Amino acid sequence: RKEVEQDPGPFNVPEGATVAFNCTYSNSASQSFFWYRQDCRKEPKLLMSVYSSGNEDGRFTAQLNRASQYISLLIRDSKLSDSATYLCVVNPTGGKLQFGAGTQVVVTP
Amino acid sequence: GAGVSQSPSNKVTEKGKDVELRCDPISGHTALYWYRQSLGQGLEFLIYFQGNSAPDKSGLPSDRFSAERTGGSVSTLTIQRTQQEDSAVYLCASSQDPGTTEAFFGQGTRLTVV
Repeated sequence: RKEVEQDPGPFNVPEGATVAFNCTYSNSASQSFFWYRQDCRKEPKLLMSVYSSGNEDGRFTAQLNRASQYISLLIRDSKLSDSATYLCVVNPTGGKLQFGAGTQVVVTP
Repeated sequence: GAGVSQSPSNKVTEKGKDVELRCDPISGHTALYWYRQSLGQGLEFLIYFQGNSAPDKSGLPSDRFSAERTGGSVSTLTIQRTQQEDSAVYLCASSQDPGTTEAFFGQGTRLTVV
């Protein structure tokens, strides 16, 4: 089993719609969680950290479910500019960053 | 510096030659990571540094790959006797505290082996 798993997609989303996807992780001791965004042929950039209580940043909402060992990202009112690959990142205590392979989102007009 | 800096941004080399890729992390960041990404693929972990030591080098694909970090700062990834399958974008990232904080990526070095 991979340490971090994501549905590769693509998720084809009409502009203005809501899209949500999950990421599962295998190490129950993991302490830090992040969502990164990667545009085509660019480096990954931090989208948001994921906190235990869940957190929101504008149209983006992240949730953590420790019992089931997954994190989720929800994008509301999707924009064309949201088209990208979204990478789930898990950081076990004191360990290396573990990246998922990414979920591709394509927002269509 | 303001961000993670990698050089060169592009490198074309002949098969069999050695190459050195450089990463300048954000000042004060103790953790440094090397990844590589082939076109259309996910990130492949190579090696992780905490200070100057590498507690995890499990991702290095062969003994042709090596990396070092000096002064807790700059890191160099060396690929000896390059092969065509080494062609990829090599990404470096750094973080202030590997346990809790997010990592910041450089723009990568695009390596093409011809």
